[in-house]
Amino acid sequence: QSALTQPASVSGSPGQSITISCTGTSIDVGAYNYVSWYQHSPGKAPKLMIYKVINRPSGVSNRFSGSKSGNTASLTISGLQAEDEADYYCSTFTKSSTLVIFGGGTKLTVL
Amino acid sequence: QVQLQQSGPGLVKPSQILSLTCAISGDSISTKTVAWHWIRQSPSGGLEWLGRTYYRSKWNNDYALSVKSRITVTPDTSRNQVSLQLNSVTPDDTAVYYCAREDNWTFDYWGQGTLVTVSS
Repeated sequence: QSALTQPASVSGSPGQSITISCTGTSIDVGAYNYVSWYQHSPGKAPKLMIYKVINRPSGVSNRFSGSKSGNTASLTISGLQAEDEADYYCSTFTKSSTLVIFGGGTKLTVL
Repeated sequence: QVQLQQSGPGLVKPSQILSLTCAISGDSISTKTVAWHWIRQSPSGGLEWLGRTYYRSKWNNDYALSVKSRITVTPDTSRNQVSLQLNSVTPDDTAVYYCAREDNWTFDYWGQGTLVTVSS
């Protein structure tokens, strides 16, 4: 099963908003509301930012929000800050024998 | 607070066995509402799910098709840790390996990652 499709890179200036898309199919993104988003910086463990499409863990800024429409999920970061610069990955559980798939990752650059 | 501490060699020779351990603190490996996964990140950057183990009256495993013939994920209840074994490794198995806890379809805690290089 192929990875979920994310843009390779996005960029924005401090204070702006950006959205990262995550496109799958009807047997993964479209099948369940299990999409999660992770922030990953070099040398660190991935950090959970959004779970079950729209939910934010305790301690994650409310500048981060998630949504889903059909087979595409999205992560929006508003009020961009320099500290948001990182790689972002989406993931979901699937109906296939490959239980979990990830997106290819999106590098966020804060200009 | 759940913590996952990984250990294992950083260099493995081709055709040999990759073995990593993930020591769990702050939770029991036998908790019936969670699962314990192994995930890796290749040098090209993508994350790949490898497999999981979980306890629901008995121990269960699921593995990715891409490694199913070579992988074993084993719980050690006496030490509260989970192990990964990947047989017959090749340079394509070079990656950073992570263990992670899954709670309610979400990977909420991750290990620190272990870079494993497959090279002679």
